[in-house]
Amino acid sequence: EPEVTQTPSHQVTQMGQEVILRCVPISNHLYFYWYRQILGQKVEFLVSFYNNEISEKSEIFDDQFSVERPDGSNFTLKIRSTKLEDSAMYFCASSGGVDEQYFGPGTRLTVT
Amino acid sequence: DQQVKQNSPSLSVQEGRISILNCDYTNSMFDYFLWYKKYPAEGPTFLISISSIKDKNEDGRFTVFLNKSAKHLSLHIVPSQPGDSAVYFCAASAGGNKLVFGAGTILRVKS
Repeated sequence: EPEVTQTPSHQVTQMGQEVILRCVPISNHLYFYWYRQILGQKVEFLVSFYNNEISEKSEIFDDQFSVERPDGSNFTLKIRSTKLEDSAMYFCASSGGVDEQYFGPGTRLTVT
Repeated sequence: DQQVKQNSPSLSVQEGRISILNCDYTNSMFDYFLWYKKYPAEGPTFLISISSIKDKNEDGRFTVFLNKSAKHLSLHIVPSQPGDSAVYFCAASAGGNKLVFGAGTILRVKS
């Protein structure tokens, strides 16, 4: 069964450093998303991406964040200068249309 | 952001019995609702969904009911199995883009 994959599973970084989280969505999907879950809180939407551009972003997704689909298979989330409060589980998701989204296993980001 | 609420933090059910998980929403623009199951250290796994034009959708042991007038949906699992023990998230979308999640309900199925 096709699945969304994410790397790395755990990333530890120092405050102020740049991180890139990687995702491989399901191959025939057209819509891509990033969500995050801070420990003990709800899963929160960050950004959606369709047709090589951002279709919607949340207030969390400020200038420190960017997304890219550098090739036909990868979808990346970059945080330019990490802060302590960026520590969270980051989930990538994809969908074939405006319907159910399929999530990856997540990347645990720890900012020290 | 309290647009999607799951008021029961946890639920304990005996194996073989019915599990009923509830979810309320406030945004009238939501037109698509989903349930996800999540194990620790894993991503949410899609279970079942329902469009606002329906009031029921069934898939095997899982049935979702939607009451639009009450802005309420529920997930029924019959019969419950120990492997169903997980966190269940209700989510909703308006126009099929971002999902808004509830806080989750921890389901424990006792054998």
